[in-house]
Amino acid sequence: GESVGLHLPTLSVQEGDNSIINCAYSNSASDYFIWYKQESGKGPQFIIDIRSNMDKRQGQRVTVLLNKTVKHLSLQIAATQPGDSAVYFCAELMDTGRRALTFGSGTRLQVQP
Amino acid sequence: GAVVSQHPSWVICKSGTSVKIECRSLDFQATTMFWYRQFPKKSLMLMATSNEGSKATYEQGVEKDKFLINHASLTLSTLTVTSAHPEDSSFYICSASATRGPRGSPLHFGNGTRLTVT
Repeated sequence: GESVGLHLPTLSVQEGDNSIINCAYSNSASDYFIWYKQESGKGPQFIIDIRSNMDKRQGQRVTVLLNKTVKHLSLQIAATQPGDSAVYFCAELMDTGRRALTFGSGTRLQVQP
Repeated sequence: GAVVSQHPSWVICKSGTSVKIECRSLDFQATTMFWYRQFPKKSLMLMATSNEGSKATYEQGVEKDKFLINHASLTLSTLTVTSAHPEDSSFYICSASATRGPRGSPLHFGNGTRLTVT
């Protein structure tokens, strides 16, 4: 079936470096994507979203890139900090009017001081 | 920003008992709420969708008689795990949406409830 998945289960980076977390999706009907950060024992925290009519969106220290041709989504975190250590999920929303999200499997980001 | 509050944050109960988890939207009216379940080191799996004033829509494989959902007001949804068993132990997370239509503000999540059934 169609799903949202991630290439790397764990990503370890040095403090101050840039981080890139990738996500592959297979549902061509999805037109809205969200990146969430989840710290241990907490619920997902919204980071940034992007609609399918865009290929790039920037926030504070974060950038999301969308490549619809290859169904690929990435989250770039600039100047990664220890507080960025968490599990990151991409989630997709199909254009059905139903607002339930489908989550990817998650990537754990470990920031080394 | 929009805040979703979940209570309790953790609960331990004996097998066979029922547990109720509350999800509240604190600063907006949530016409739609979603309940997810998350196993350790796994992703979130949607259990059901509830719209205020109507019956919940359950995902395939989720027992509606076991996981009772009530969304009686625009700020409160409850999930009751009935006759809980150890395999129901999990992290339950709710999310809330302010609009009933296809697009709107991003969904906001509660901080989850850790259920342990002994």
